[in-house]
Amino acid sequence: SQQGEEDPQALSIQEGENATMNCSYKTSINNLQWYRQNSGRGLVHLILIRSNEREKHSGRLRVTLDTSKKSSSLLITASRAADTASYFCATGRTGTASKLTFGTGTRLQVTL
Amino acid sequence: GAVVSQHPSRVICKSGTSVKIECRSLDFQATTMFWYRQFPKQSLMLMATSNEGSKATYEQGVEKDKFLINHASLTLSTLTVTSAHPEDSSFYICSARAPEDLAKNIQYFGAGTRLSVL
Repeated sequence: SQQGEEDPQALSIQEGENATMNCSYKTSINNLQWYRQNSGRGLVHLILIRSNEREKHSGRLRVTLDTSKKSSSLLITASRAADTASYFCATGRTGTASKLTFGTGTRLQVTL
Repeated sequence: GAVVSQHPSRVICKSGTSVKIECRSLDFQATTMFWYRQFPKQSLMLMATSNEGSKATYEQGVEKDKFLINHASLTLSTLTVTSAHPEDSSFYICSARAPEDLAKNIQYFGAGTRLSVL
């Protein structure tokens, strides 16, 4: 399977804390993206990091990429209850621009 | 932002019937649309890639006669689950990509369709 792995599978934190989730993948990539999915809904694109980038920020999101380890992390700072969702990393393989391969996902629960 | 509408959001049908799911890009032209299947608490599995005006490309293990895909226009793709059976019950999600997003491969997703086959 080309599917990536994410850990943890589930994460429960209190509002205001930071949430970190990790993604590992198996092939060479063009870029890595993170998506968010609210329960029973579609996915929303959060952030993209290119294979030649190491870190990227967008608001309360910070993404890192280590292509030597084939891994990425997503940090959500100062979490809010509204951040409760599942988060998926997605990779596009070099040479096959059409497809995205999604990781297994991390279910984040932020409690008040 | 790019909006993708997927309809219906939920469908319950009897075994043996066919179900059509529509995916529309509302404010952009989508040369490529994708259909995914998602089981509870699992990731998305790509079923097929649909290019406007041409036949869909199915992933290994996906029956093309079972899951008919039509991408007749730049804003509409449909997935028809033919002769549905209980094992076809799942959450089906479509996504669309605009030509300008090809290099980055950013996809915009519909809200999904929950199919329950009795």
